Amino acid sequence: DVKVTQSSRYLVKRTGEKVFLECVQDMDHENMFWYRQDPGLGLRLIYFSYDVKMKEKGDIPEGYSVSREKKERFSLILESASTNQTSMYLCASSNSGDSDTQYFGPGTRLTVL
Amino acid sequence: AQSVTQLGSHVSVSEGALVLLRCNYSSSVPPYLFWYVQYPNQGLQLLLKYTSAATLVKGINGFEAEFKKSETSFHLTKPSAHMSDAAEYFCAVGDTSGTYKYIFGTGTRLKVLA
Repeated sequence: DVKVTQSSRYLVKRTGEKVFLECVQDMDHENMFWYRQDPGLGLRLIYFSYDVKMKEKGDIPEGYSVSREKKERFSLILESASTNQTSMYLCASSNSGDSDTQYFGPGTRLTVL
Repeated sequence: AQSVTQLGSHVSVSEGALVLLRCNYSSSVPPYLFWYVQYPNQGLQLLLKYTSAATLVKGINGFEAEFKKSETSFHLTKPSAHMSDAAEYFCAVGDTSGTYKYIFGTGTRLKVLA
């Protein structure tokens, strides 16, 4: 089974703090994704990556950056957290040859005070 | 631009009744289509996917979906709802431009009444 893990299930941070969310997948997938989920808005793509050291902006990249130094790990960085970044963050990975099927981690619920 | 529409942000059914969750997509090319389920405070779990092999797709937990190209629909059904089906359901379509991204619907929260 594909396993996607996220570093924290719940996280509370203060405004202005630098926040790191980490995602690790164990199936050698090329593609990795970061989403945020908010009530009534569904899932919105923040950033994605096709390969190590490669990244592409999604629909809402403002206020976020990402890092992919190793194939299995994709980090989301909030440079200076703000209250409007309070949300559920979901990581996913996929293999290009698997009909684009994405496998999701359990999510990190981030609260910024 | 591609889009996915899920009709009804909230759906309630009685236990044992038919579950029907609607999904329509806009695309000129039959895409990959997916249904995911999300239980409270969890990630998304794949229910089923359409990859052009068959128009009627069977998934886990007794769910199935039928791809209808003429109606650009991919509705999710289950003959008899169970209390454990209460969750949020998301329809998604694979991006046809080769980016491996999904376009998600906004989700439908299913409530099952005893």
